[in-house]
Amino acid sequence: QSVLTQPPSVSAAPGQKVTISCSGGSSNIGNNYVSWYRHLPGTAPKLLIFDTNKRPSGIPDRFSGSKSGTSATLDITGLQTGDEADYYCAAWDSSLSAGVFGGGTKLTVL
Amino acid sequence: EVQLVESGGDLVQPGGSLKLSCAASGFTFSNYWMHWVRQAPGKGLVWVSRIKTDGSRTNYADSVKGRFTISRDNAKNTLYLQMNSLRAEDTAVYYCAKDLHDVGMDVWGQGTTVTVS
Repeated sequence: QSVLTQPPSVSAAPGQKVTISCSGGSSNIGNNYVSWYRHLPGTAPKLLIFDTNKRPSGIPDRFSGSKSGTSATLDITGLQTGDEADYYCAAWDSSLSAGVFGGGTKLTVL
Repeated sequence: EVQLVESGGDLVQPGGSLKLSCAASGFTFSNYWMHWVRQAPGKGLVWVSRIKTDGSRTNYADSVKGRFTISRDNAKNTLYLQMNSLRAEDTAVYYCAKDLHDVGMDVWGQGTTVTVS
């Protein structure tokens, strides 16, 4: 049972937009930054978004992050088949004094 | 090239111990907090631990607190994870990662596999 809640799966057609949600609480998303990762099994996770809405260098602007209250979202526009992967949100939890990840969302590009 | 390389993963019996290492290169290791994250077979990513630049502060997930110890040797550019009293549920690929900010981790190793059985 993850502290942050994500939908198990989302899907959309190539070229479309998809939104992945991440729900938490006041001790994590509500008062701390959110990060988003893309992960393919057997490879190293890749940072897509940090500090809720900032992109590391090299990450295209098709990826954007935001939050409202205790929920965060990752938007991916112009979907490509290469975007198929597992996506995870993460945040620091001030009550636990620990990092927490969401359970992950599998993105399928139909 | 900025790189993290984990090592030390192995097959160990329940109740046993193991020490993982993570060798850093291509950046000033001593300037960054570092993390360990794991992924059990068929499961999602789980944050394990982090350590401050000088080793003076550490944090742990409740599931490993009291059993795992994170440490670092800045002179050797190496991060460690000492794992004691291992359980079957500790079976996972363990990744080390460089902190960018909060739990934004911008550089990851390829992972090392720990099997407790």
